[in-house]
Amino acid sequence: GESVGLHLPTLSVQEGDNSIINCAYSNSASDYFIWYKQESGKGPQFIIDIRSNMDKRQGQRVTVLLNKTVKHLSLQIAATQPGDSAVYFCAEIEGGSGYSTLTFGKGTMLLVSP
Amino acid sequence: DTAVSQTPKYLVTQMGNDKSIKCEQNLGHDTMYWYKQDSKKFLKIMFSYNNKELIINETVPNRFSPKSPDKAHLNLHINSLELGDSAVYFCASSPDRVTEAFFGQGTRLTVV
Repeated sequence: GESVGLHLPTLSVQEGDNSIINCAYSNSASDYFIWYKQESGKGPQFIIDIRSNMDKRQGQRVTVLLNKTVKHLSLQIAATQPGDSAVYFCAEIEGGSGYSTLTFGKGTMLLVSP
Repeated sequence: DTAVSQTPKYLVTQMGNDKSIKCEQNLGHDTMYWYKQDSKKFLKIMFSYNNKELIINETVPNRFSPKSPDKAHLNLHINSLELGDSAVYFCASSPDRVTEAFFGQGTRLTVV
């Protein structure tokens, strides 16, 4: 189930289950979104991205859904494996002519039990 | 063949010291960044450079000074280190400002 830990929301699932990690973003001008995976002791790694002109994008075992109306992003991982255990971040970039950078959400820890 | 590499991986130092963290990318990217990750895993942008020019400087104490000798390098120098500077610092790069960023392995800085 999903719980809010002392510092980081944590989602605990069994191997083989499907996982859904949610993210609420704040900037309605953001037009590009990325999900990153951060394993212990490593830097964030790109998983999948989506532009604001789409509402769904699929990768290998992962799907990102974007709901611009409520400013919500989700990452679905099919057949979750122990190697999927990590902290997952959503990140957004605002479009426009000025310079902007990736703004990260707070992160969700995914724990996969064998 | 590491894409974004930063050194050192671990840095333990006393309060008041000055230290540097180096970052190099071999991806040919124009834009480089420094991010700080706190104990709650929150990642916050500190600086962004594009072709050696400072583009973004978030509210960071001026004890932190980034230096970009060329577009493949962005080093971070920190003066008069404080306990609150303890964190993991990530260097990253991207082809331009509106695409994914590639991150280094991080430098865990501990100030004692």
